[in-house]
Amino acid sequence: QKEVEQNSGPLSVPEGAIASLNCTYSDRGSQSFFWYRQYSGKSPELIMSIYSNGDKEDGRFTAQLNKASQYVSLLIRDSQPSDSATYLCAFSPGSSYKLIFGSGTRLLVRP
Amino acid sequence: EPEVTQTPSHQVTQMGQEVILRCVPISNHLYFYWYRQILGQKVEFLVSFYNNEISEKSEIFDDQFSVERPDGSNFTLKIRSTKLEDSAMYFCASSEPSGGGEKLFFGSGTQLSVL
Repeated sequence: QKEVEQNSGPLSVPEGAIASLNCTYSDRGSQSFFWYRQYSGKSPELIMSIYSNGDKEDGRFTAQLNKASQYVSLLIRDSQPSDSATYLCAFSPGSSYKLIFGSGTRLLVRP
Repeated sequence: EPEVTQTPSHQVTQMGQEVILRCVPISNHLYFYWYRQILGQKVEFLVSFYNNEISEKSEIFDDQFSVERPDGSNFTLKIRSTKLEDSAMYFCASSEPSGGGEKLFFGSGTQLSVL
């Protein structure tokens, strides 16, 4: 069973701090990894995709991938109260285009 | 900006009734999906659809479920005889495969309540 593991949180950080969200996945054949943000009662919104080992930066967001450790993370710099949401880690199994989602980490940014 | 649209936003039905959830994917996308999320739980894959046929389905997607692309724009999910446990938020998504990875864009969802 292909799985994604995330700490459910909540992760609470003060405004302006760096929030660090982590995720491990079970499928060594996976090539594609994604971070989605989901506000309560809303649909998942794509934030980042990453396919290669290392870091990928997009504005305040940095995704980090380590395939050997089967680990992917998301850093949010200068966290804002509007970043308060659930962050979903997802991967696409090597043999499929579907996404498998983790249960999400709830982030709370305190003003 | 192009978006996936879903109707209705809320659907209330009686157990045993048929429901059809509707979606209009992004126009130049090739892959279409249905996912569901039971309250407080993970987003779960139901089915993917490509080139007018199902490309993959999960264990959840049993004979009570079906999908259809009746014309060039709509993509529907039918549940033939709803059960209480079908109550969930149903998300449609679409993607255009690029570079070996899928970037899914989700609609705003249909909240299905089975009474």
